[in-house]
Amino acid sequence: DVKVTQSSRYLVKRTGEKVFLECVQDMDHENMFWYRQDPGLGLRLIYFSYDVKMKEKGDIPEGYSVSREKKERFSLILESASTNQTSMYLCASSLYPGGLTEAFFGQGTRLTVV
Amino acid sequence: AQTVTQSQPEMSVQEAETVTLSCTYDTSESDYYLFWYKQPPSRQMILVIRQEAYKQQNATENRFSVNFQKAAKSFSLKISDSQLGDAAMYFCAYRSTGTASKLTFGTGTRLQVTL
Repeated sequence: DVKVTQSSRYLVKRTGEKVFLECVQDMDHENMFWYRQDPGLGLRLIYFSYDVKMKEKGDIPEGYSVSREKKERFSLILESASTNQTSMYLCASSLYPGGLTEAFFGQGTRLTVV
Repeated sequence: AQTVTQSQPEMSVQEAETVTLSCTYDTSESDYYLFWYKQPPSRQMILVIRQEAYKQQNATENRFSVNFQKAAKSFSLKISDSQLGDAAMYFCAYRSTGTASKLTFGTGTRLQVTL
């Protein structure tokens, strides 16, 4: 079974802190994604990556950056956390970048910025 | 940009009954892909069913089936013989063709299953 692991299920950080959310997949998938989930807004794409060291902006990249130094790991970075970044963050991976390819998700990190 | 609309924030169904969750989308493309994902309280997103737009036949996976109406840009999910384990958030998602396409999600429908 494909496993996508996010390093924390719950995280509390202070305003202005630099925050790292880590995601690791174990199926040699080329493609990895970071989504943000908020009530009433569904899932919104922050960034995605089609290969090591490659990244593309999603719909809401402001205030975030990403790093993909190794194929299995995709990190989301909040450069200076703000309270409006309090949210659920979901990482996903897929074998192929398009088509009917299934995306596999981690269990999410609920981040609270105080 | 494509948009996905789920107009039912919450739905309720009795165990063993059938329920239909609505999804509409906006696109100018002729070929694309549609998905339904389920997110139970554990937060683990799971693929329920998927459909390619150029295939007119509606997809079916056990108790889950879709009603795909391309002209109406509608992709509803029907759950038959509902079970307590079906209680979850359900998200409809759209993906365009091409190698760099992304999944665009709707806002979700929370399904409650009652005894």
